[in-house]
Amino acid sequence: GENVGLHLPTLSVQEGDNSIINCAYSNSASDYFIWYKQESGKGPQFIIDIRSNMDKRQGQRVTVLLNKTVKHLSLQIAATQPGDSAVYFCAEKNSARQLTFGSGTQLTVLP
Amino acid sequence: KAGVTQTPRYLIKTRGQQVTLSCSPISGHRSVSWYQQTPGQGLQFLFEYFSETQRNKGNFPGRFSGRQFSNSRSEMNVSTLELGDSALYLCASTAVGTGGMNTEAFFGQGTRLTVV
Repeated sequence: GENVGLHLPTLSVQEGDNSIINCAYSNSASDYFIWYKQESGKGPQFIIDIRSNMDKRQGQRVTVLLNKTVKHLSLQIAATQPGDSAVYFCAEKNSARQLTFGSGTQLTVLP
Repeated sequence: KAGVTQTPRYLIKTRGQQVTLSCSPISGHRSVSWYQQTPGQGLQFLFEYFSETQRNKGNFPGRFSGRQFSNSRSEMNVSTLELGDSALYLCASTAVGTGGMNTEAFFGQGTRLTVV
């Protein structure tokens, strides 16, 4: 059969606004989570990670929040810039060290 | 520090042929993982190598194989190529943390394989 392309969730924000990208993960045994940014034609680029013994971690302009109760992860980008336009993936890693990726969110920053 | 290097960047092959892709991890990283990225299936794990041994494998047919050399460089091979194997193949290297603790995986630019 014909492959149907994944319908990526999309998020459009005005330049300078804050962005929030959400992700639901599947495995309650996962103990490590990573957010990646992927620009067209490039490999995924590490943004920030968080371990399951934490619920919040901050980086430069980015914050990751982890809610283990509902298996939810979010990425907050402050003062979004045009260079932030990309597809953002969350990934979970379990004790087997295998990364499982979400389907991704397309972030578009409007001028 | 040099990043993860994948060669070649682009490749066109015919159905039925076989292909070998190469990945050089970040210096000092001993774990190398391979992923397939397609519009239809997203990013899917193929396998992971550590110290020349495959220690994790995803749900792909036996046509997909790999190996790792003593210098941690890795290759993946796909035999009897099918049209559906057209994808971006990504390699990620990881430094194994203290006590085997998970650390971040760094990706290469990928090899874009087109099967015609």
